[in-house]
Amino acid sequence: GEDVEQSLFLSVREGDSSVINCTYTDSSSTYLYWYKQEPGAGLQLLTYIFSNMDMKQDQRLTVLLNKKDKHLSLRIADTQTGDSAIYFCAEEGSGNTGKLIFGQGTTLQVKP
Amino acid sequence: DTEVTQTPKHLVMGMTNKKSLKCEQHMGHRAMYWYKQKAKKPPELMFVYSYEKLSINESVPSRFSPECPNSSLLNLHLHALQPEDSALYLCASSQEPSGYEQYFGPGTRLTVT
Repeated sequence: GEDVEQSLFLSVREGDSSVINCTYTDSSSTYLYWYKQEPGAGLQLLTYIFSNMDMKQDQRLTVLLNKKDKHLSLRIADTQTGDSAIYFCAEEGSGNTGKLIFGQGTTLQVKP
Repeated sequence: DTEVTQTPKHLVMGMTNKKSLKCEQHMGHRAMYWYKQKAKKPPELMFVYSYEKLSINESVPSRFSPECPNSSLLNLHLHALQPEDSALYLCASSQEPSGYEQYFGPGTRLTVT
């Protein structure tokens, strides 16, 4: 079945780069997404990548996609304390239903 | 503007109460979604509405009843809930039901006593 996996926790120092990794199983996924959730808030769409792309950059965010290994990563440059949150990767499930399959979420802790 | 609004922000209800959660978007999106999220877990899909018609029900108990009065509004009617239904309920919308990014609202924090 469809499955998305992420490591659960990452701790970095302010100013360092953060890399959050994700693996997925559905090779037919067209889009892959990164969402950010701060405590007590909804999910904020950070960025997404189309499956025929290898890389997408948006300001401090860089998404890398390795389709062969079904591996997705999100790099945050110059990480700030305001980046502390839970980050979810997600793929759209098969069948064109719009159903998102989420990973368990990676808690990013940024130390000053 | 990619805003999805939800009301109320917080809701406390007893197991015999009837209440409703509301969601609204004015982006012209034709797909709307209800998700349930427990603490420290990812969101779980409950319902999908596509062009105002229910297209997916993820085997949700009948004490949750969705309604889409028009293309901008989505309601979730709650009746006879259980304490384990306490969670953050998130609404989302997307331009079309497939192949488009979903935008989430801030959620309603529901506590069932």
